[in-house]
Amino acid sequence: DAGVIQSPRHEVTEMGQEVTLRCKPISGHNSLFWYRQTMMRGLELLIYFNNNVPIDDSGMPEDRFSAKMPNASFSTLKIQPSEPRDSAVYFCASSLLSRGAGQPQHFGDGTRLSIL
Amino acid sequence: TQLLEQSPQFLSIQEGENLTVYCNSSSVFSSLQWYRQEPGEGPVLLVTVVTGGEVKKLKRLTFQFGDARKDSSLHITAAQPGDTGLYLCAGADNYGQNFVFGPGTRLSVLP
Repeated sequence: DAGVIQSPRHEVTEMGQEVTLRCKPISGHNSLFWYRQTMMRGLELLIYFNNNVPIDDSGMPEDRFSAKMPNASFSTLKIQPSEPRDSAVYFCASSLLSRGAGQPQHFGDGTRLSIL
Repeated sequence: TQLLEQSPQFLSIQEGENLTVYCNSSSVFSSLQWYRQEPGEGPVLLVTVVTGGEVKKLKRLTFQFGDARKDSSLHITAAQPGDTGLYLCAGADNYGQNFVFGPGTRLSVLP
């Protein structure tokens, strides 16, 4: 079975440029999460969707960040304009929503973003 | 805001030794998960614990959820170099969705 697929794996760009990260969740999963990981701050939840609807975006750092999920099989995280402090590894994860016991989150391999 | 703390932050041991890492919070979680992350990859789920006092074993790994569901521990017996990685705990709210991750324990097992 295909896992969560993220693209690109690596992105290097100059500050001020627009960056778009892409994620394809596991088929059948109805929850999707975007995380950012740095050495200083660890793994931070940015936003999550249930059934393509954004539920909690309180972790999105600034208006420069936006996320969309136009359908069940695709999501994007966009940064515009990008800044050097946005450099991090960005992970997408998906899971099957069910109330009660936490369902496992399946992570992609991440996008390593470097803003020069 | 629910926060998780993990200790120790770093741990370097010799192959064959035993170790315990901890995950603590002042908040109650409906469930708690442990993940292991290797360089260049995303975290991979090891176990989910749900009931206070629950103990789960996964080969040489033993996981325990505190009675009050505020803390958890991971014990590894006879550690091997393949156990090297970043161990993350994550607590879920009552709906099982809003996960908070701890900062992780970075384990290095030397041959």
